[in-house]
Amino acid sequence: DIVMTQSPDSLAVSLGERATINCKSSQSVLYSSNNKNYLAWYQQKPGQPPKLLIYWASTRESGVPDRFSGSGSGTDFTLTISSLQAEDVAVYYCQQYYSTLLYTFGQGTKLEIK
Amino acid sequence: EVQLVQSGAEVKKPGESLKISCKGSGYSFTSYWIGWVRQMPGKGLEWMGIIYPGDSDTRYSPSFQGQVTISADKSISTAYLQWSSLKASDTAMYYCVRVVVTASVPYYFDYWGQGTLVTVSS
Repeated sequence: DIVMTQSPDSLAVSLGERATINCKSSQSVLYSSNNKNYLAWYQQKPGQPPKLLIYWASTRESGVPDRFSGSGSGTDFTLTISSLQAEDVAVYYCQQYYSTLLYTFGQGTKLEIK
Repeated sequence: EVQLVQSGAEVKKPGESLKISCKGSGYSFTSYWIGWVRQMPGKGLEWMGIIYPGDSDTRYSPSFQGQVTISADKSISTAYLQWSSLKASDTAMYYCVRVVVTASVPYYFDYWGQGTLVTVSS
């Protein structure tokens, strides 16, 4: 299985400041034939199901605010929130879908307001 | 509007059977894979398995193979997750997800159901 490891486990950031969450895969999730990274990010607010934020490592889902961005390639990825808003308090998960039908998630990063 | 509506919370005893459901609407149910994801209390997300309602092709995570059964009834646009003998360790929130596909190849999860809380306690 591809193991996904996020860092940090928790993060406290002041309103308006930048938040950065990292995700590392145990093997590359870059598919050479199409040059796509098979990596998604999800946001889970308290008491709600997860919501898709980013797919193909850097493509923002429709309706997701542009303060959210994804970057990285191969085994190292980053989710950045450029200016933290109160409604961004949540747990964030990365997920690889490179290993077809053997999906794995990171352990989650809890984001709070400082 | 795409929606996945799951059945309500369940409280069961160890050893009992259970079948929970997920009804899709607002899209062609037979053209997308439907998956199931477990979230144990206070924990992260675990992929359990996936089904393609168009032909009932079903795949399981090795961690859940033999522990649960995934099925679908395309005539009523509903997918199911069932247990034959529940354990206390099955206590969790279970989410169904719609899986984005291209040429029938599944990728990421674009829609999530609201979740079904299953509590197993004697």
